[in-house]
Amino acid sequence: GQNIDQPTEMTATEGAIVQINCTYQTSGFNGLFWYQQHAGEAPTFLSYNVLDGLEEKGRFSSFLSRSKGYSYLLLKELQMKDSASYLCAVASGGSYIPTFGRGTSLIVHP
Amino acid sequence: DTGVSQDPRHKITKRGQNVTFRCDPISEHNRLYWYRQTLGQGPEFLTYFQNEAQLEKSRLLSDRFSAERPKGSFSTLEIQRTEQGDSAMYLCASSRGGADGYTFGSGTRLTVV
Repeated sequence: GQNIDQPTEMTATEGAIVQINCTYQTSGFNGLFWYQQHAGEAPTFLSYNVLDGLEEKGRFSSFLSRSKGYSYLLLKELQMKDSASYLCAVASGGSYIPTFGRGTSLIVHP
Repeated sequence: DTGVSQDPRHKITKRGQNVTFRCDPISEHNRLYWYRQTLGQGPEFLTYFQNEAQLEKSRLLSDRFSAERPKGSFSTLEIQRTEQGDSAMYLCASSRGGADGYTFGSGTRLTVV
């Protein structure tokens, strides 16, 4: 099985930078996904990392260290609309089917 | 293409009744997934189809649950003899496979009373 751990809740100020961490334990790692989910809506795909390092996409970046079983999602220039749950998900065991963590609820305040 | 469609959006049913949900994936996606999500939790994997073949099923999928994708296009998820513990959001997603992220539908929210 897999063990995925991320903080339950974080708060940040509009315009600031926030880093959401995710740690995992798995065998046969096939990649790590980040999704954003607004309340009452479906998750939307943000990023996929399979090699170590940083992937940047506009205001969002995702980092992976396979040896440490660690990833983070970095959100810059926070906006109020970034208030959402951020889900870390890991695919493993020859399958690309991700197992999701419980999500981190991010609250952005003015 | 308007994305992944799920029907109905909401379903309230009495305990013991059967319910069926439908998912229409993005047309060029050959992979289709069903997940279940309860409040404060991440989505939990239920089952996966590649074209019409059901390739994986979670242990969460008890014998009261069945899913089909008869022509490799839309899929249905049926829950027989519903229980209150089945109350959740049922999410469908599709993908081209590999490293492509999933596209999720808006989900069907089931409430068993």
